[in-house]
Amino acid sequence: DSGVTQTPKHLITATGQRVTLRCSPRSGDLSVYWYQQSLDQGLQFLIQYYNGEERAKGNILERFSAQQFPDLHSELNLSSLELGDSALYFCASSRTSGRSNEQFFGPGTRLTVL
Amino acid sequence: GQNIDQPTEMTATEGAIVQINCTYQTSGFNGLFWYQQHAGEAPTFLSYNVLDGLEEKGRFSSFLSRSKGYSYLLLKELQMKDSASYLCAVNNAGNMLTFGGGTRLMVKP
Repeated sequence: DSGVTQTPKHLITATGQRVTLRCSPRSGDLSVYWYQQSLDQGLQFLIQYYNGEERAKGNILERFSAQQFPDLHSELNLSSLELGDSALYFCASSRTSGRSNEQFFGPGTRLTVL
Repeated sequence: GQNIDQPTEMTATEGAIVQINCTYQTSGFNGLFWYQQHAGEAPTFLSYNVLDGLEEKGRFSSFLSRSKGYSYLLLKELQMKDSASYLCAVNNAGNMLTFGGGTRLMVKP
C-alpha cells in the first residue's frame, strides 16, 4: 500500500459524458501527478500539481482538466468522453517537485467508456 | 522529442539472472527511474540513477551511462513473483517522467 488513494476503482460510462476522478496523496506529499495508461500507449504523463498550483503539463487533452485543492487532494475531470478515453488512470504523489523525487502511485481508476 | 526504448517482452528461468535494457533520447535529463508493475496494479518504485554507475539494492541492480543514453535493470535469483512489467522512466528537464513502453518479463519454472 503506497498511501495514495484513488476513487472510484472502476467507472463505466457512455460516450459524451463527464466524469471526475479523485486522488488523495500520501500524508505530507505536496506534489500530485496524473497518468493515463492504455493498452496501446503505455503510461502517459498528463499533468502535475504542486501545493495547489499547476507545475507541469504533458499530453493532456483540452477535454481534460485537473485541480489540486487546499487539502492537497486532486481531481481529474474528463469531459465529452470518447471510446478511446477508456484506460487506467493513475495518480501519484511525491514529497516535493524536485528532481530525484520518487513518485508513489495509487491503485488507479479503471475507466470504461461504452 | 522524447524517446525511450525497451524490449517488449523477455522470458527467463527461475533462479537465473536477467538484464532489461533501456535506451533514451530526451530533452534534458534529471535522472532515470525503474518501476515494477504487475498486471492491473500500480507501478512500484525499484531504483533511481542520476550519476553514471551501478546502484545495487538486494536482488535488483540498475546501471546508468549518461553519455550513451543507456540504462539496464539487472534481476538476480529470479523468482516467479518477479513476473511483471518493468518500466524505465526518464525525469526530463521539465521534471516530468516520460515512461518507456515497459518490458513484460515472464519467469518460468
